[in-house]
Amino acid sequence: QQQVKQSPQSLIVQKGGISIINCAYENTAFDYFPWYQQFPGKGPALLIAIRPDVSEKKEGRFTISFNKSAKQFSLHIMDSQPGDSATYFCAGRPSGNTPLVFGKGTRLSVIA
Amino acid sequence: DSGVTQTPKHLITATGQRVTLRCSPRSGDLSVYWYQQSLDQGLQFLIQYYNGEERAKGNILERFSAQQFPDLHSELNLSSLELGDSALYFCASSVRGEPGQPQHFGDGTRLSIL
Repeated sequence: QQQVKQSPQSLIVQKGGISIINCAYENTAFDYFPWYQQFPGKGPALLIAIRPDVSEKKEGRFTISFNKSAKQFSLHIMDSQPGDSATYFCAGRPSGNTPLVFGKGTRLSVIA
Repeated sequence: DSGVTQTPKHLITATGQRVTLRCSPRSGDLSVYWYQQSLDQGLQFLIQYYNGEERAKGNILERFSAQQFPDLHSELNLSSLELGDSALYFCASSVRGEPGQPQHFGDGTRLSIL
């Protein structure tokens, strides 16, 4: 089964700092990499996504960096705020009409 | 609000029982996905439907079944429940279920098996 490995499992960042979450995928042609944000009691919500023909994508304080040769991608949250405290999931889609494969999640806590 | 509605929000039942979880997709979405979320396994894909037909199958147990009805709502049936089935069950929907289309998640059903 295709896997996406996500790290760290949990992360504590000071307000105003940079949060970095890393993901790696296995030997396959993934063609779409979304990140989801989940608050307690809520379902995951799409945050930002990237395709492998792009090395970086930025939306506000959120940036995805993608390294195709290393099969790695990461989420950077600049100027982290307490409201960013949530669980973040990376995912990948094997090429073709196949479902997303999710990482196990990172619980981010931003403290003042 | 994602526009995806899941009922019930919480369900408590006993081992050996059968339950039905319901999902109404966003207006206009034809594809529905079911996921199981547990603490140690993250989000596990169970099954996908598109316009009433099964499109993809993941790690869904034989004790579990699902269907999508003509009005596009979907139901996930869980039978012969075991303690290990306790989890959050999420439904998501997308427009056509094609690669690259965002999935919109409901707020889940928390199933507790006693």
